[in-house]
Amino acid sequence: NAGVTQTPKFQVLKTGQSMTLQCAQDMNHNSMYWYRQDPGMGLRLIYYSASEGTTDKGEVPNGYNVSRLNKREFSLRLESAAPSQTSVYFCASSEGVGLNTGELFFGEGSRLTVL
Amino acid sequence: GENVEQHPSTLSVQEGDSAVIKCTYSDSASNYFPWYKQELGKRPQLIIDIRSNVGEKKDQRIAVTLNKTAKHFSLHITETQPEDSAVYFCAASITGSARQLTFGSGTQLTVLP
Repeated sequence: NAGVTQTPKFQVLKTGQSMTLQCAQDMNHNSMYWYRQDPGMGLRLIYYSASEGTTDKGEVPNGYNVSRLNKREFSLRLESAAPSQTSVYFCASSEGVGLNTGELFFGEGSRLTVL
Repeated sequence: GENVEQHPSTLSVQEGDSAVIKCTYSDSASNYFPWYKQELGKRPQLIIDIRSNVGEKKDQRIAVTLNKTAKHFSLHITETQPEDSAVYFCAASITGSARQLTFGSGTQLTVLP
């Protein structure tokens, strides 16, 4: 059981470039999430998906798009990267849907630098 | 929306001593309060959580207390060990849904040998 796997682990982009962060989970979880982590700001939710084909905006969705390809995979795309998107990105999953979704299981994180 | 404040931002303790991290929340409707531990360069992991129908929960050396009236909850670590050194995040959710979790800004705990 790999849990939650995300790639790449590190990426450097120039302003205006695009990229996709990939995430996959093998725990048969229903819900998947993308967070960003910035110094002194904790974890902030970018997007959430309760099931295949459904997505919902979180606290900081501007500049990002997501795709829930199937139950296992949830990708995050930056169409035109900006320096403000320099951050560590975490994908996460949880078993439940709706209320009481339970424990979040996180990937190892992707450190993105936008120059 | 919910606002969670966490203090202190950094905490150093001697090995064997106790450590206490405090969080306050703004929405009295919040009813689920997890704590996550993130070791350096690693992923956050849930270490303990509490729901609003209980005032205290323990798991070996860690405990969480909840004061609903004052809208604050705390993480207590006793007999600290070097492996307790990490960043700890508190969080609060109105519905119990991870979708609506609001995280605190984190506390860097250092256990000195």
